[in-house]
Amino acid sequence: AQSVTQPDIHITVSEGASLELRCNYSYGATPYLFWYVQSPGQGLQLLLKYFSGDTLVQGIKGFEAEFKRSQSSFNLRKPSVHWSDAAEYFCAVGSGTSYGKLTFGQGTILTVHP
Amino acid sequence: DVKVTQSSRYLVKRTGEKVFLECVQDMDHENMFWYRQDPGLGLRLIYFSYDVKMKEKGDIPEGYSVSREKKERFSLILESASTNQTSMYLCASSFLAGGPDTQYFGPGTRLTVL
Repeated sequence: AQSVTQPDIHITVSEGASLELRCNYSYGATPYLFWYVQSPGQGLQLLLKYFSGDTLVQGIKGFEAEFKRSQSSFNLRKPSVHWSDAAEYFCAVGSGTSYGKLTFGQGTILTVHP
Repeated sequence: DVKVTQSSRYLVKRTGEKVFLECVQDMDHENMFWYRQDPGLGLRLIYFSYDVKMKEKGDIPEGYSVSREKKERFSLILESASTNQTSMYLCASSFLAGGPDTQYFGPGTRLTVL
């Protein structure tokens, strides 16, 4: 069975600082990987996804993520955080079958200090 | 833009009541999903549907049922609500019938069972 671990429950950074959110997955075949963001009181919005090809993926709002098969990781990065990035971030993994089901991590809450 | 709407943002019900949560998508998507979101647990899949009248159990189906009579609409039913079903419920849809694809989420329904 596939699983996702986000080791950091809560991260605090200062505005303008760089950010890295960690995601480790467990899956036997080629994974399909996603990062979503949830602002307070909202649904989830897709930031970026990896299906194949270039292992460095660019997303919206200046985010990027790197797929590292050897480390079973898909960490999310941003070089300079803005106060509006404060939200909860979810990593998810899907398979090539199972009707597009996704397995989500526990989420990382990001707080941004001015 | 894909739009997924949920019938209520907030709902308060009493123990033992039958509860209906409605979800509608406007992009002719094949797959629809119901999740519940609890702090520290991420999103957990309750049920999903890959076609009209077709449904499959997710990871936590106990106490829930679903209905999909039309392609655009997917309903979650709590047959007899209990306090441990107090949670945020998120609906999502995706296009590809046979594999992974971006899931688009509604804004969520925060259900409180008293």
